[in-house]
Amino acid sequence: GAVVSQHPSRVICKSGTSVKIECRSLDFQATTMFWYRQFPKQSLMLMATSNEGSKATYEQGVEKDKFLINHASLTLSTLTVTSAHPEDSSFYICSASNRAGKGYNEQFFGPGTRLTVL
Amino acid sequence: AQSVTQLGSHVSVSEGALVLLRCNYSSSVPPYLFWYVQYPNQGLQLLLKYTSAATLVKGINGFEAEFKKSETSFHLTKPSAHMSDAAEYFCAVSVGGGADGLTFGKGTHLIIQP
Repeated sequence: GAVVSQHPSRVICKSGTSVKIECRSLDFQATTMFWYRQFPKQSLMLMATSNEGSKATYEQGVEKDKFLINHASLTLSTLTVTSAHPEDSSFYICSASNRAGKGYNEQFFGPGTRLTVL
Repeated sequence: AQSVTQLGSHVSVSEGALVLLRCNYSSSVPPYLFWYVQYPNQGLQLLLKYTSAATLVKGINGFEAEFKKSETSFHLTKPSAHMSDAAEYFCAVSVGGGADGLTFGKGTHLIIQP
């Protein structure tokens, strides 16, 4: 099956620093990647959708200047949390899909990245 | 906009008993529906999906779900619970054929009593 990886799996940083999270599709070309955020004991909330070579589309309430998303290749998308603060501490999960096929294009989820901002 | 409601934030069943996790959706167009399972500090694993084919969908680990348009429901069942089924379960909806992100329910924590 399709595999999506994320790196790092855990990161701890100081308040005010920036953190980059990578999402890779290992065995397929991901034309679309999605970034979700999950606060403790809560559901996943879609943050943004990125199509390869295009600017990401952010959901309402998500600051695009704070959460920088780059999808420069068909196998890699990055999420950079700029000037991180403790309230940004969360579990960040990416998913990837290949829209080349007909019908529904399944999303494959990465294992997630636990961000802790001190 | 679409939405998902999962009834019961916690469900407790005895090992060997029937598992029933409820999910109702709201969508203005025919939806795609999913059930995912999440173990602590891990990502999501797809249990099953409905993508407009058969209304009774069979998934992994003995789970199945039935799409009922008239009831706008997609409840998840398993005939006999196993201790390893203890986890968080999320129902999700998509209307864009994969082009849009998923809208998730709040999740149901399944507890298995020995």
